[in-house]
Amino acid sequence: GAGVSQSPSNKVTEKGKDVELRCDPISGHTALYWYRQSLGQGLEFLIYFQGNSAPDKSGLPSDRFSAERTGGSVSTLTIQRTQQEDSAVYLCASSPEAGAGEQYFGPGTRLTVT
Amino acid sequence: AQSVTQLDSHVSVSEGTPVLLRCNYSSSYSPSLFWYVQHPNKGLQLLLKYTSAATLVKGINGFEAEFKKSETSFHLTKPSAHMSDAAEYFCVVSYGSSNTGKLIFGQGTTLQVKP
Repeated sequence: GAGVSQSPSNKVTEKGKDVELRCDPISGHTALYWYRQSLGQGLEFLIYFQGNSAPDKSGLPSDRFSAERTGGSVSTLTIQRTQQEDSAVYLCASSPEAGAGEQYFGPGTRLTVT
Repeated sequence: AQSVTQLDSHVSVSEGTPVLLRCNYSSSYSPSLFWYVQHPNKGLQLLLKYTSAATLVKGINGFEAEFKKSETSFHLTKPSAHMSDAAEYFCVVSYGSSNTGKLIFGQGTTLQVKP
């Protein structure tokens, strides 16, 4: 079956612009996670969705970052007024249920802020 | 704070020799532990997972890891390295009590395999 997909695969934006990153999880997976992979910080948790609600947003680095999930499926991560330090690979993962263990990762979106 | 430490940022082995990638975790609870692999320009793939069943866990591609509670370790091993094993390896922990399932990643170990 289809895995987790993310779009775009690459995004170059100018400092100060807003960007939206999309994640399509595996069908039927209720838990969805966003992570960020950067050279300086490694892989960091950003936010977790159970269905359409986000009980854990503790990893969002600032109020410029927000995310939503609709229909228990697609999720969008939005970064407002992008800064150069936002440059990273943004990874989405899904799981059949929270705490199930294995998470299935998408290929990521590489964001470059110039 | 809950964390995971990978003791080597870079490991280099010759093809056909054993692989050892070291990982220690800190935890107040019984953790679930994972090893993920990331090949260049590819997504993260699960190698194996420990979830309090057998302490010796076998994964894909001949990898295995042993959970040692007394040492708070979860080292990854493989008897004989292949060229295709060259990749970035992440030791990962997830905690059980108020488990959202979020993963905490180690800093990664780059495995180089020389011919």
